[in-house]
Amino acid sequence: DAKTTQPTSMDCAEGRAANLPCNHSTISGNEYVYWYRQIHSQGPQYIIHGLKNNETNEMASLIITEDRKSSTLILPHATLRDTAVYYCIVNAGKSTFGDGTTLTVKP
Amino acid sequence: DVKVTQSSRYLVKRTGEKVFLECVQDMDHENMFWYRQDPGLGLRLIYFSYDVKMKEKGDIPEGYSVSREKKERFSLILESASTNQTSMYLCASSLVGRGTSGSFHEQFFGPGTRLTVL
Repeated sequence: DAKTTQPTSMDCAEGRAANLPCNHSTISGNEYVYWYRQIHSQGPQYIIHGLKNNETNEMASLIITEDRKSSTLILPHATLRDTAVYYCIVNAGKSTFGDGTTLTVKP
Repeated sequence: DVKVTQSSRYLVKRTGEKVFLECVQDMDHENMFWYRQDPGLGLRLIYFSYDVKMKEKGDIPEGYSVSREKKERFSLILESASTNQTSMYLCASSLVGRGTSGSFHEQFFGPGTRLTVL
C-alpha cells in the first residue's frame, strides 16, 4: 500500500477555507485516495474519495494533482466544528491510518 | 444511515482475563475491520474480514484473534489480556472492493471501546 505524508497540525480562521495537503508519491494507478476525519472521542468519519478527477460533495472538495502524487482536501468555509484530526489514506485492500493532520479552527 | 455499534464504550479488565469486544453493523456490509488507536501511532489495523468465517491479519495481529460467524457481527478476542493492550479499539465496516483495484469502499466506524487492562 502507498504511504501518505501529512503535516502534523494546521490552524485556520473560522469562515476561511482550510486546505489540507497530503503527499502520496508512491501511489499506483488504480489506488483511490480517501479522506476521513476524527472528532475527539468519536470514530473516524468518511469525507470524500477520488481516483484521478477532482471531486466535490456537501462536506468538502478534493483536488488531486495530475501525476496523482499529492492531493488537497478543501473545507471551503471552516467552522469551529471542523476542528478534528484529518486522515488521508491510499486504500488498496488494507487500511492503515497514520497520525493525520490536527486542524484547529479558531474564532 | 449505516450504523456500526460496539458493545461497550468503556471496559476495565485485569491482566490475564479473556476479553471479547463485539461489533455489529446493520448495512449488510461484506467487510469488517478492527483497529486500535494509540497516541502517536495512529489507527493500526489488527484484523479484517471480507466474508463470514473469513479473516486476514492486519499490521498488528499478535495477541488477538477474531470471529465472524454471522455477516453482521465481528468479534475481537484478547485471549489473555495484557497491560500493553490498553487502548481505544475501533470497529469499521464497508462494502466489498471496487472492481479490480482492490480498494475498499469507504469505511463506516463505530464509536470505539476504550479498554483498560490493569
